[in-house]
Amino acid sequence: DVKVTQSSRYLVKRTGEKVFLECVQDMDHENMFWYRQDPGLGLRLIYFSYDVKMKEKGDIPEGYSVSREKKERFSLILESASTNQTSMYLCASSVHYEQYFGPGTRLTVT
Amino acid sequence: RKEVEQDPGPFNVPEGATVAFNCTYSNSASQSFFWYRQDCRKEPKLLMSVYSSGNEDGRFTAQLNRASQYISLLIRDSKLSDSATYLCVVQLSAGTALIFGKGTTLSVSS
Repeated sequence: DVKVTQSSRYLVKRTGEKVFLECVQDMDHENMFWYRQDPGLGLRLIYFSYDVKMKEKGDIPEGYSVSREKKERFSLILESASTNQTSMYLCASSVHYEQYFGPGTRLTVT
Repeated sequence: RKEVEQDPGPFNVPEGATVAFNCTYSNSASQSFFWYRQDCRKEPKLLMSVYSSGNEDGRFTAQLNRASQYISLLIRDSKLSDSATYLCVVQLSAGTALIFGKGTTLSVSS
């Protein structure tokens, strides 16, 4: 059974804090993705990675960075959290076309 | 122009009804097409791929019209358990990021 896990289901952080969101997949997938999902805006791609140490900007990379040191792990970093980064963050992995999503992290920045 | 457009709904239908969702996409170079389903507060999951010849999976039928850049999903004999948000998704090529529509919400009532 395929599995994508995310480090936290719910997270509350203060403005200005550095935030790490971790994603791990056990399917040996090369491709990994970070999205955020907001009401009325749908799923928007933040960053993606096709291989270890490789990263590509998505549609809304501002305020975020990523790290992929190992194939199974893809981290999203909020360098200095802001209230407009309050959102649901979803990680996904894939080989070809079907993407498998993690359960999501609901981040609130106060 | 939005890349993938869907009617947000909500569609409120009684059990047993037939309901159709439509979607248009802007990039004619798109190669792969899907419908994902997202339950409330859950992650999206692949419902079915969409092929030019049309494809059926039980009560669900998906159609693709490349000339019109139009994708559809038909649900027959709606069940309460079909209540969810249905996301229209396109992909430029295998392994690349998915492009999501904002979703269409379906509510099936008894």
